[in-house]
Amino acid sequence: ETGVTQTPRHLVMGMTNKKSLKCEQHLGHNAMYWYKQSAKKPLELMFVYNFKEQTENNSVPSRFSPECPNSSHLFLHLHTLQPEDSALYLCASSQERLTYEQYFGPGTRLTVT
Amino acid sequence: QKEVEQNSGPLSVPEGAIASLNCTYSDRGSQSFFWYRQYSGKSPELIMFIYSNGDKEDGRFTAQLNKASQYVSLLIRDSQPSDSATYLCAVIGSGNTGKLIFGQGTTLQVKP
Repeated sequence: ETGVTQTPRHLVMGMTNKKSLKCEQHLGHNAMYWYKQSAKKPLELMFVYNFKEQTENNSVPSRFSPECPNSSHLFLHLHTLQPEDSALYLCASSQERLTYEQYFGPGTRLTVT
Repeated sequence: QKEVEQNSGPLSVPEGAIASLNCTYSDRGSQSFFWYRQYSGKSPELIMFIYSNGDKEDGRFTAQLNKASQYVSLLIRDSQPSDSATYLCAVIGSGNTGKLIFGQGTTLQVKP
């Protein structure tokens, strides 16, 4: 595997379900990010982890719970979501240096019914 | 005022022409600037980054940065139908936190 991988690629869940999104980066980076992309809206940063420490929580509702056990893995735990949470969830990683180029995974298309 | 602004388009150019995509940003202390390409249903792909005033060329792509005018652009020479996509401008603001702020994106259509 190379780059940034995400599983599952598609997920349909009911409002009472609990599910988790997984991201893994194979680039040797030490920062990882979760973004949400909804139709007709700019990419929204949700969480930032730097060396496994959460450095940013962009006012995300508590029904989204991130976990970063090490610099290569990132999870987003989901519970009691709302239909408006349906979106493309993107994981990205970067090396912590001046330019901070971020590389994205393929995303998980989430539908909440 | 939005932090990063782009014209949503669509911008339509004929095959072989130069496509010019523009972006303005509000944080005067911004340090790093990125262009991502996103095909429909896919994730963003980094195609260029620039952090010094002037031009940076990579193949058919040229990024231009003017910090005084708070303006960054992307030129695509010899546009191909395969360049049809949404182009996202992203900026890291002052403070170097690594937090990328994205514009809404410009949809480019290259017509054969």
